[in-house]
Amino acid sequence: DADVTQTPRNRITKTGKRIMLECSQTKGHDRMYWYRQDPGLGLRLIYYSFDVKDINKGEISDGYSVSRQAQAKFSLSLESAIPNQTALYFCATSDPTGGEGYGYTFGSGTRLTVV
Amino acid sequence: RKEVEQDPGPFNVPEGATVAFNCTYSNSASQSFFWYRQDCRKEPKLLMSVYSSGNEDGRFTAQLNRASQYISLLIRDSKLSDSATYLCVVYLRGGYQKVTFGTGTKLQVIP
Repeated sequence: DADVTQTPRNRITKTGKRIMLECSQTKGHDRMYWYRQDPGLGLRLIYYSFDVKDINKGEISDGYSVSRQAQAKFSLSLESAIPNQTALYFCATSDPTGGEGYGYTFGSGTRLTVV
Repeated sequence: RKEVEQDPGPFNVPEGATVAFNCTYSNSASQSFFWYRQDCRKEPKLLMSVYSSGNEDGRFTAQLNRASQYISLLIRDSKLSDSATYLCVVYLRGGYQKVTFGTGTKLQVIP
């Protein structure tokens, strides 16, 4: 099994629908993240969580919400999807013992299309 | 100015060639630097850290130039399997964890 598992892998949804992307990890890390990747814009941080009770907004959190259900689970919700949320979404965990930025493990990504 | 900038490429090089990429960062207080590799439609994966004194890992050499605020990645004896996008990652210590990913440089190694 993958260290970080994202579901679904691909999703097409309609404008205005609520959608949830799920992420689970077996690394045992406290830190988890949600990023989106768009061509030419790189990876941008949506939300991050350093433990179950700690959730923080990233640089582009508008239109998104998250839930940290357990150390191993971190889900991302789009309350009312809009077309410019079409992107590749990655969940990640990190182990800061090697230094911040080191040891990020990403899931395989969810390709979301909002029509 | 972007916090982290990379030439998007693509860099098209023949097998066996040596190729180098640079990545510039805007904040002189940046503390940690890394290179990640991302294959097409896949997730990024850590390639190597970048140390002040420079470091090697097989055919890959990473260097940091704090005075000019850039890091570099040198790949010797390029293989077809090196074809990927290489992301520069910079950590800046601040009010919250500030890890910035560059947009990546695409490398295509040609037979």
